[in-house]
Amino acid sequence: DAMVIQNPRYQVTQFGKPVTLSCSQTLNHNVMYWYQQKSSQAPKLLFHYYDKDFNNEADTPDNFQSRRPNTSFCFLDIRSPGLGDAAMYLCATSRDPSIRGEQYFGPGTRLTVT
Amino acid sequence: GQQLNQSPQSMFIQEGEDVSMNCTSSSIFNTWLWYKQDPGEGPVLLIALYKAGELTSNGRLTAQFGITRKDSFLNISASIPSDVGIYFCAGQSYNNNDMRFGAGTRLTVKP
Repeated sequence: DAMVIQNPRYQVTQFGKPVTLSCSQTLNHNVMYWYQQKSSQAPKLLFHYYDKDFNNEADTPDNFQSRRPNTSFCFLDIRSPGLGDAAMYLCATSRDPSIRGEQYFGPGTRLTVT
Repeated sequence: GQQLNQSPQSMFIQEGEDVSMNCTSSSIFNTWLWYKQDPGEGPVLLIALYKAGELTSNGRLTAQFGITRKDSFLNISASIPSDVGIYFCAGQSYNNNDMRFGAGTRLTVKP
């Protein structure tokens, strides 16, 4: 089945220690998104890639970076995690938002910062 | 940015009851989406709506895209325990790639 895959599902990192979360998709979608979701809140968009074109949200901290080496993979790098960065990180994809807007989410990676 | 107001915030209902939740916006959207999120999982798309006035069903779920393009509702008929979760509405305009989420409706179903 075509899907969005996130690894790992659970990640523990130390305060200030860089961490990378990964996402892959078999949907061949043009757009890949990274969201941060804290408990009982809606997902908050961090950035997205439209093909190779990177689009950062204005309020996304510089501590968060992303890479998309090819269509299938996208990475979220947190350079120096703080306690406030503990959250669920969701990857999503869409074909082309100008045609159809639905996004398909992966299962998420829950990040704990100790 | 565009704000989505989703209500109610939470609902406690008895198994078998019908449920209704809605979202309103100050701006128009071209697409309305409804997602369900179980604890520890990513949101799962339930229904997507693309035209003003469109009414779409998915099993016991029915959603409508408001005529003004500024609102949408989701109904769940004859609720069952596995309907428990958080339901999010989301809206998208064609002039950007962003999708705006409502704050979510937490549904609890008592057997």
